[in-house]
Amino acid sequence: NAGVTQTPKFQVLKTGQSMTLQCAQDMNHEYMSWYRQDPGMGLRLIHYSVGAGITDQGEVPNGYNVSRSTTEDFPLRLLSAAPSQTSVYFCASSYSMARGTEAFFGQGTRLTVV
Amino acid sequence: AQSVTQLDSQVPVFEEAPVELRCNYSSSVSVYLFWYVQYPNQGLQLLLKYLSGSTLVKGINGFEAEFNKSQTSFHLRKPSVHISDTAEYFCAVSENNAGNMLTFGGGTRLMVKP
Repeated sequence: NAGVTQTPKFQVLKTGQSMTLQCAQDMNHEYMSWYRQDPGMGLRLIHYSVGAGITDQGEVPNGYNVSRSTTEDFPLRLLSAAPSQTSVYFCASSYSMARGTEAFFGQGTRLTVV
Repeated sequence: AQSVTQLDSQVPVFEEAPVELRCNYSSSVSVYLFWYVQYPNQGLQLLLKYLSGSTLVKGINGFEAEFNKSQTSFHLRKPSVHISDTAEYFCAVSENNAGNMLTFGGGTRLMVKP
């Protein structure tokens, strides 16, 4: 029972490099989302998806792209990394968009941009 | 727009002592409220949630929280903490018109000392 799996767990990038953070869930959840976690600021929503082929922006979308070609996968792309994107990134999924549905989180990707 | 304030960034407490982690929110519409816990190097997991009904909500690991609408608070309590409760705790809300999107507080690090 894997739940939500994120890869890699750690990554160091140079400014201007691109990379993709992977997220996969095996619970057949429709709703998936990406958050970034910064000290003292809690988690902030970057992008979310309510199903395959449908994505939308959250609170802090600038510098990030997403796509949802399958129900299982929701990758987050950084096209040109900046030091301000140094953070811990969490992917989450839930059965539906209905309010109160429990969100399941991955273990996070710790990204450092130098 | 909703916001969540966790008044204490760190709470040190001795083992077997009681603890209260404070959470206040601001919203102009009805909200659902959540507490999540993040153990070291792990993702977040749901402790408890308030959707409606009784204002006292019981969660996992002996935690409980009380919804106070007049004070817009949702404080988390445990009568006797264990070393294993050392973690970061996040309060979150979802608004009536925001589906399952969560707004998180900045987090409170609970440090249980022997």
